[in-house]
Amino acid sequence: AAGVIQSPRHLIKEKRETATLKCYPIPRHDTVYWYQQGPGQDPQFLISFYEKMQSDKGSIPDRFSAQQFSDYHSELNMSSLELGDSALYFCASSRFAGTEAFFGQGTRLTVV
Amino acid sequence: ELKVEQNPLFLSMQEGKNYTIYCNYSTTSDRLYWYRQDPGKSLESLFVLLSNGAVKQEGRLMASLDTKARLSTLHITAAVHDLSATYFCAVDRYSGGGADGLTFGKGTHLIIQP
Repeated sequence: AAGVIQSPRHLIKEKRETATLKCYPIPRHDTVYWYQQGPGQDPQFLISFYEKMQSDKGSIPDRFSAQQFSDYHSELNMSSLELGDSALYFCASSRFAGTEAFFGQGTRLTVV
Repeated sequence: ELKVEQNPLFLSMQEGKNYTIYCNYSTTSDRLYWYRQDPGKSLESLFVLLSNGAVKQEGRLMASLDTKARLSTLHITAAVHDLSATYFCAVDRYSGGGADGLTFGKGTHLIIQP
């Protein structure tokens, strides 16, 4: 079965650089969620989109922005990267808002 | 502020033994999720519990939900090494009716030794 696809899988950036993470939801899923997981930490909710509109906003820094496009894929844009942004970033998708979400393999971002 | 508390946070057990992981939460949501995560890997959905009294079983794992007590349990029966992983419980941040994010517990790091 098709799963959530994230790209890239690994990314190394220097401080103050920008990064763009991409998420392609499971086909026919219209809802996308982004999470950040630091080493040894639980996932922290960043932001979600339903039908291309922002739905819920969590602990997303102002330096980050995200959007969902007409084909339902989503991008997380991260600027002025800091060492503390090094983490696993997960995208999840669900068929409808409020139903079970399935997680992608994640993007490991390392800021040096 | 929504709180999700798991215990224990670390559990080392022998194969063949039974044990229970507890998840307490502060929201009035009647939905609760259990995920498994292997090191550096994605989060695998184990159970979605949708109502008070819900009980679901898959292999050696059984999850239950008591919304009145705001408590969920994940019971492991006759543990095997392959179940070694980190287990997270999570609840919807709000009512669960929209695209709410999840709030996760700190996770239970489970090691099963031969």
